[in-house]
Amino acid sequence: SQQGEEDPQALSIQEGENATMNCSYKTSINNLQWYRQNSGRGLVHLILIRSNEREKHSGRLRVTLDTSKKSSSLLITASRAADTASYFCATAVYSTLTFGKGTMLLVSP
Amino acid sequence: EAQVTQNPRYLITVTGKKLTVTCSQNMNHEYMSWYRQDPGLGLRQIYYSMNVEVTDKGDVPEGYKVSRKEKRNFPLILESPSPNQTSLYFCASSLVGNQPQHFGDGTRLSIL
Repeated sequence: SQQGEEDPQALSIQEGENATMNCSYKTSINNLQWYRQNSGRGLVHLILIRSNEREKHSGRLRVTLDTSKKSSSLLITASRAADTASYFCATAVYSTLTFGKGTMLLVSP
Repeated sequence: EAQVTQNPRYLITVTGKKLTVTCSQNMNHEYMSWYRQDPGLGLRQIYYSMNVEVTDKGDVPEGYKVSRKEKRNFPLILESPSPNQTSLYFCASSLVGNQPQHFGDGTRLSIL
């Protein structure tokens, strides 16, 4: 059962611009996590936001969580070509983590 | 270095020939999981284990087996592989199931 749905499916921007990706889900969650995947490689954990938190920052990443709307957003500020990757949200319900299908981000120099 | 190690990284095999993909973690994590990744379908969980000798089905368990005899190892077994199991497979581990997961580099499996 796929819980999180990312939007958009693909995003193309220029270096220096901000990138925003959204994630919607259907049921109550314990936390929501964002991961990054470089082409064909393993996923790398970026940030975790708990259900009682509204916003969290890590370097150039900003994550928000709106539990009333069952949605989250990931903002990458001042994007770099090296940010080109797929980004996945994952919703944690009890002991299970369920991944969405991802947003492909292309950052052009 | 903390890591999840999968072997092999690539495998081409034929229908019906039993194979095992190994997964080992060195972080003393209790939770381990197997996923498959297919274009347009994202990551889907095959099986997971919350601790030694405790395993449970994920979303797509058909055609797969797992075992968890030791904390560090969680092999994925395809007893009679079929072409629809051609996919990119990932093993992951975490302290507990809803915490950040560490992923292996993946195993690309082609079944002819």
